[in-house]
Amino acid sequence: EAQVTQNPRYLITVTGKKLTVTCSQNMNHEYMSWYRQDPGLGLRQIYYSMNVEVTDKGDVPEGYKVSRKEKRNFPLILESPSPNQTSLYFCASSDLKGPGVETFFGQGTRLTVV
Amino acid sequence: AQKITQTQPGMFVQEKEAVTLDCTYDTSDPSYGLFWYKQPSSGEMIFLIYQGSYDQQNATEGRYSLNFQKARKSANLVISASQLGDSAMYFCAMREGLNTGFQKLVFGTGTRLLVSP
Repeated sequence: EAQVTQNPRYLITVTGKKLTVTCSQNMNHEYMSWYRQDPGLGLRQIYYSMNVEVTDKGDVPEGYKVSRKEKRNFPLILESPSPNQTSLYFCASSDLKGPGVETFFGQGTRLTVV
Repeated sequence: AQKITQTQPGMFVQEKEAVTLDCTYDTSDPSYGLFWYKQPSSGEMIFLIYQGSYDQQNATEGRYSLNFQKARKSANLVISASQLGDSAMYFCAMREGLNTGFQKLVFGTGTRLLVSP
């Protein structure tokens, strides 16, 4: 089954404690990205990657890091989380070839930073 | 300027009735795609329907149809015969530069739909 898997689904952490949210896809997609969802703001792109070792900033990259060492994995790293990073996070992947292709989303990670 | 505007924060509809969720967009790119996603209370993003800027006909997927008015830059979602399970948040999204491989989706702020018995 084609899917994007993120872990954990829920996470409560304290300010400043480094954390990683993992993301893996099984569709051999080149393009992967991270979004955060906040009430009244919709989803906004944090970082994206067009292939292995190729990453770039999205609209709200401050406070986040990513890496793409393997095609299937795209972890999101919060080196020093702060309360304003409390949000619902989605990993997504899609095929670079062809227009209008579907973007597959992970189940979401609900992060609370206290 | 907002690229995707959803002006209805919330909508109510009775079961079995049709409902239209509004979405307007702003782009100067001639090649773009418009998407609608459903987000139930469990949180996952469910793809509903897609319309390409060059598509001649309005997209349909079962009870979902997209009323695409290119000159007005609107892409409204129509849900026919609403069901209780349609209660959810709905997001309109756009991807520009379809032939460039640029895959970023820009989302609206969403419309929460509540279907009553």
